[in-house]
Amino acid sequence: DAKTTQPNSMESNEEEPVHLPCNHSTISGTDYIHWYRQLPSQGPEYVIHGLTSNVNNRMASLAIAEDRKSSTLILHRATLRDAAVYYCILRDPGYSTLTFGKGTMLLVSP
Amino acid sequence: NAGVTQTPKFRVLKTGQSMTLLCAQDMNHEYMYWYRQDPGMGLRLIHYSVGEGTTAKGEVPDGYNVSRLKKQNFLLGLESAAPSQTSVYFCASSYARPWVETQYFGPGTRLLVL
Repeated sequence: DAKTTQPNSMESNEEEPVHLPCNHSTISGTDYIHWYRQLPSQGPEYVIHGLTSNVNNRMASLAIAEDRKSSTLILHRATLRDAAVYYCILRDPGYSTLTFGKGTMLLVSP
Repeated sequence: NAGVTQTPKFRVLKTGQSMTLLCAQDMNHEYMYWYRQDPGMGLRLIHYSVGEGTTAKGEVPDGYNVSRLKKQNFLLGLESAAPSQTSVYFCASSYARPWVETQYFGPGTRLLVL
């Protein structure tokens, strides 16, 4: 099964950029890389996803390595509201869904 | 457009009691899912459905049953609750395959089994 590896936690200061890394060395050629986040006491919410090229949306940017074995979620200016658990996710080949690991807890300080 | 809603938000059960958790979505999504999340853990898939009238087992299905009689609703049942089923339950839905399409989550149901 394709799996992801993320740091357990990261810290940032408000209004600074944040780079959240993810390793997925066994990713298949057709797997999209998804990022979701979970704010405290809420359900997960979609952040961004991509296949090969770097992607941007209003929430974040996703930088994908050329060999697709790693990716980085970039929050350009962290706010206190960005404190959450960030999940880097691939498809679960056993079930028709995504596999959520433990993710990275992002702490943002004022 | 309410998105994905879950009922109830919080419930306390005694061991052996039964209950049904309701998930509803108003986005005409085909795929629906039930996950559980225990403290410090990621989400684990209980059951899922890829269309009205269909259900399938996920990673941790024991002790749970599901039904998808209507496209917009996905019910999760606990026939005889056990303390090990104390958890936060999340429902999710997606228009199509979630490894391509966005998955939308409900706010969660917090269940405590005494």
